[in-house]
Amino acid sequence: QKEVEQDPGPLSVPEGAIVSLNCTYSNSAFQYFMWYRQYSRKGPELLMYTYSSGNKEDGRFTAQVDKSSKYISLFIRDSQPSDSATYLCAMSKSGGSYIPTFGRGTSLIVHP
Amino acid sequence: EADIYQTPRYLVIGTGKKITLECSQTMGHDKMYWYQQDPGMELHLIHYSYGVNSTEKGDLSSESTVSRIRTEHFPLTLESARPSHTSQYLCASSEYGQPSGYGYTFGSGTRLTVV
Repeated sequence: QKEVEQDPGPLSVPEGAIVSLNCTYSNSAFQYFMWYRQYSRKGPELLMYTYSSGNKEDGRFTAQVDKSSKYISLFIRDSQPSDSATYLCAMSKSGGSYIPTFGRGTSLIVHP
Repeated sequence: EADIYQTPRYLVIGTGKKITLECSQTMGHDKMYWYQQDPGMELHLIHYSYGVNSTEKGDLSSESTVSRIRTEHFPLTLESARPSHTSQYLCASSEYGQPSGYGYTFGSGTRLTVV
């Protein structure tokens, strides 16, 4: 079993829809949870970062962490065609020396 | 504007050739990383460095080597390229002391094809 599971999609939604992207994980030692966005032919860029459980909101984006279920989510409200990209979840243990584990990424397509 | 630069962006090379993928960053970050990314697959860590003259192998060192002689420069060398090395290679950097994964800055990648 992989430490981090993420459905690769693609997920296709109409413009304006609410998008839900998810990852599950098996390692209870993970404390830091991140979402990266990767446009085609570009490197990933950090989108959201959460420590431990709870919610974090930034504009149209909300990250949720449920450590009891080992489940994290990224919600995108009022999705735009410019949100079309691959979204990778990543998580790591506490401590600066731990290398994060990345999910496979979910391809999102927002059509006008 | 990118603060981490990878060259070349695309490379097609024959089997058995020696190649070096370049990565430079202008942010003064101590930590640097090389990842391999195939379509629809996880990022696999190849090598990482926590500072000058410090290098470590990741899960997938894939017959490659790295050096860190200067803070800003972290080249990746394949001594003898094989078709199995065909992939996208991503370089990243982060500040020392930040939680792992937070504040990673990635380059745009090098797409390598070995024929």
